[in-house]
Amino acid sequence: AQSVTQPDIHITVSEGASLELRCNYSYGATPYLFWYVQSPGQGLQLLLKYFSGDTLVQGIKGFEAEFKRSQSSFNLRKPSVHWSDAAEYFCAVRTGGGNKLTFGTGTQLKVEL
Amino acid sequence: EPEVTQTPSHQVTQMGQEVILRCVPISNHLYFYWYRQILGQKVEFLVSFYNNEISEKSEIFDDQFSVERPDGSNFTLKIRSTKLEDSAMYFCASTPDSPNTEAFFGQGTRLTVV
Repeated sequence: AQSVTQPDIHITVSEGASLELRCNYSYGATPYLFWYVQSPGQGLQLLLKYFSGDTLVQGIKGFEAEFKRSQSSFNLRKPSVHWSDAAEYFCAVRTGGGNKLTFGTGTQLKVEL
Repeated sequence: EPEVTQTPSHQVTQMGQEVILRCVPISNHLYFYWYRQILGQKVEFLVSFYNNEISEKSEIFDDQFSVERPDGSNFTLKIRSTKLEDSAMYFCASTPDSPNTEAFFGQGTRLTVV
């Protein structure tokens, strides 16, 4: 069965520092991969997605992610974190023909000023 | 920019009562979904709906749950007899009929069962 693992439950970084959030997936076919962000009390906003092609994808708010098939990973990165990036980040894989998403458990990002 | 809207944003209900959560998906979308997120846990798929019928459902989506598209714009989730463990944030989402697209999520309805 498909699954998504986000090994880091909480991460704290200083403002201006670089960030990498890890995501590993388990899925038999070619995955469609997503990163969503959830700010407190808010819904889920799409940061970026990977369907095919270039394995380095750019998203909104200066985020990028790299798909590595050999490692079954889709890690999210940002070169310089802003205080407004503090939120919960979810990695998800699309499974099935109807766009059903399987989410990871999320990584809570705290940004220290 | 088109968006998925959900009402109410927060609902408190007594255990055993029926609740209906409402969603207005993006108008040209064809697939509709409900997900839930129990506090502190991950987002879980409940059900997908296409062409006026359920296309897939999870084991969470038991006989207490039902979905309906009563008109051309609304998509509802009904919980017939709420339990304490139904307390969660419920997200509605929709997608176009296209394989290369993402799901668009609403802001969620926080359901509190007391």
